Amino acid sequence: QAQLVESGGGLVKPGGSLRLSCAASGFTFSDYYMSWIRQAPGKGLEWVSYISGSSSYTNYADSVKGRVTISRDNAKNSLYLQMNSLRAEDTAVYYCTRALGYCSGGSCYPDSWGQGTLVTVSS
Amino acid sequence: EIVMTQSPATLSVSSGERATLSCRASQSVSSNLAWYQQKPGQAPRLLIYGASTRATGIPARFSGSGSETEFTLTISSLQSEDFAVYYCHQYNNWPPWTFGQGTKVEIK
Repeated sequence: QAQLVESGGGLVKPGGSLRLSCAASGFTFSDYYMSWIRQAPGKGLEWVSYISGSSSYTNYADSVKGRVTISRDNAKNSLYLQMNSLRAEDTAVYYCTRALGYCSGGSCYPDSWGQGTLVTVSS
Repeated sequence: EIVMTQSPATLSVSSGERATLSCRASQSVSSNLAWYQQKPGQAPRLLIYGASTRATGIPARFSGSGSETEFTLTISSLQSEDFAVYYCHQYNNWPPWTFGQGTKVEIK
């Protein structure tokens, strides 16, 4: 059974930086695309970024492009999200998710989710 | 970007009754549609993928149907643990993945 545990959230001032981490277990991490999805307080779900198993492919939502970098360390079974130039609208719970399906063909979906880590951007 | 629209925003249902939730895509997503359940303070849980296939461990009272642009999630007989927010999600075209705004199923 896949387990995902996020960490690294917290309170940060506008313009600041934060690095989120996700520790994966229970599956062969390097075989899967991984993704970050966020949820602002009381709002719906918004995809943020994905990365392929070998790190060859990454992509970002327009709302974070240029400010966020996704990466992974397959030797450590870990996923990361480096967030810079943070804004108030980045305040959200950030979920680490595993993607299942034919990701390289453009049709896969998040099947396992971590419990989330809260990022609050406020002065 | 494909826009997903769910209706209704809130559904008031009594325990034991049937609940029908709708999701519409702004363009065809084939059968690449998933449904998630989210309870307060918890992460979303995968219920349905491929528009109609139940995920592992999901009770048979949950069923999904539809294709192209119109989809339905049906809960045949609501149990107390089913009161939650439900999201549809298209994965036919990424990036970006897009989600509906959610339907809250509440106790009548």
